[in-house]
Amino acid sequence: DVKVTQSSRYLVKRTGEKVFLECVQDMDHENMFWYRQDPGLGLRLIYFSYDVKMKEKGDIPEGYSVSREKKERFSLILESASTNQTSMYLCASSKGQSRAEAFFGQGTRLTVV
Amino acid sequence: GENVEQHPSTLSVQEGDSAVIKCTYSDSASNYFPWYKQELGKGPQLIIDIRSNVGEKKDQRIAVTLNKTAKHFSLHITETQPEDSAVYFCAAGTGGFKTIFGAGTRLFVKA
Repeated sequence: DVKVTQSSRYLVKRTGEKVFLECVQDMDHENMFWYRQDPGLGLRLIYFSYDVKMKEKGDIPEGYSVSREKKERFSLILESASTNQTSMYLCASSKGQSRAEAFFGQGTRLTVV
Repeated sequence: GENVEQHPSTLSVQEGDSAVIKCTYSDSASNYFPWYKQELGKGPQLIIDIRSNVGEKKDQRIAVTLNKTAKHFSLHITETQPEDSAVYFCAAGTGGFKTIFGAGTRLFVKA
């Protein structure tokens, strides 16, 4: 069974903290993505990666960075968390070809206080 | 920029009735249209997709239709069941890595 695993289901952090969200996939997928899900706004792409050490900005990259040192792992970093980054974060992966099905993790609900 | 509009935001139907969710997209280069279902506490999961060379696709109780001229596509669920209750997302992709998602439709199926 294919699997995308996010390290935390719920996370509470203080304003200004550096936050790491980890994602691991076991399907040997080339592509990995980080989305943010907010009510009424759907899923918005923060960053994606199509290969190890490669990254591309999505639609809302401001305030975030990513790291992909290994094929199976994709990390989202909030350098200095702010309250407007309180949200549900979803990681996904897909095969290298275009128009491939994306497999999502269960999500991390991050609250910044 | 490109966007995908999805309607309605909330839909309530009686068990056994049909449910229809509609989406429109702005980027005429879009050629891949997946639909995802998100159950409570879980990530979205692909339920059906359609490519631009196909006008309609069916999988048991689920069907999608695509009208490229009008730039809209729809999800049809027939004989709805309580387990169909979830949030549904449409999306439009251009064949690369970028897929634009709609805002989602929360479907309630009343027993």
